[in-house]
Amino acid sequence: DTEVTQTPKHLVMGMTNKKSLKCEQHMGHRAMYWYKQKAKKPPELMFVYSYEKLSINESVPSRFSPECPNSSLLNLHLHALQPEDSALYLCASRKGGRGNGELFFGEGSRLTVL
Amino acid sequence: GQNIDQPTEMTATEGAIVQINCTYQTSGFNGLFWYQQHAGEAPTFLSYNVLDGLEEKGRFSSFLSRSKGYSYLLLKELQMKDSASYLCAVMDSNYQLIWGAGTKLIIKP
Repeated sequence: DTEVTQTPKHLVMGMTNKKSLKCEQHMGHRAMYWYKQKAKKPPELMFVYSYEKLSINESVPSRFSPECPNSSLLNLHLHALQPEDSALYLCASRKGGRGNGELFFGEGSRLTVL
Repeated sequence: GQNIDQPTEMTATEGAIVQINCTYQTSGFNGLFWYQQHAGEAPTFLSYNVLDGLEEKGRFSSFLSRSKGYSYLLLKELQMKDSASYLCAVMDSNYQLIWGAGTKLIIKP
C-alpha cells in the first residue's frame, strides 16, 4: 500500500461552518504534512507532524487546527474560514529519518469557501 | 535566503525532447525532487536525486550537480499528456521541501 488517502475530495462550506479534512496512510510513515496550494502556485507548507507531535506550524491562522490521532491519521479541522482560504489542500507523508526524503502526496481536497 | 529558480513556461513539440533546468540555493541539502502536476490535481513524484549524476526512469531522466546547485529534468519522446507543470523542490537540512514556482510545459502537435 503506497497510498495517501484524503477525504473528502471536494468540500464546499460557508464561513460559519465547521468541517474537517482527513488524511490516512498505512505505509508506516512517521512524518505527515499539510500543504495549501492556490492555482498556479507551488504548495505552501502549513503543518508538519513528526512521530505524532506537531513539529512545524508555519504561522497558520487558528481557524485551521491540525490533529494527529495516531501514526496513520492526520486531520485538519476548519472553522470560520474566509473565501480566500479556498484552495487545494494536500496531505503528504514521509518515512522519516535521515535519507528517507521522498514525500508521498494524497490526491488533495478541493475546498471552496462561500 | 533559500531560493529555487526554474523557467516559468516552456513549449515543445510532440515527439521531441525538452530539458527543464532548476538552480537552487538552500540551507542544507537532503535531495532534490521533481514532481509533475496537472491542473487541479495533486503533484505526482517523478524523481529524486541526492548524489551527483543522472537518474533515468523510462522517458524521464533527472540530473544533479550539487557543486553547481543545478538540476535538470529531461523528457524524451514527448506526448500530449506531458503537458503539465513541473515542480523542482529541494529538501533542506530540516527535511522541509523548498519549492520552485514550477515550469508550465506546453506540448504542441
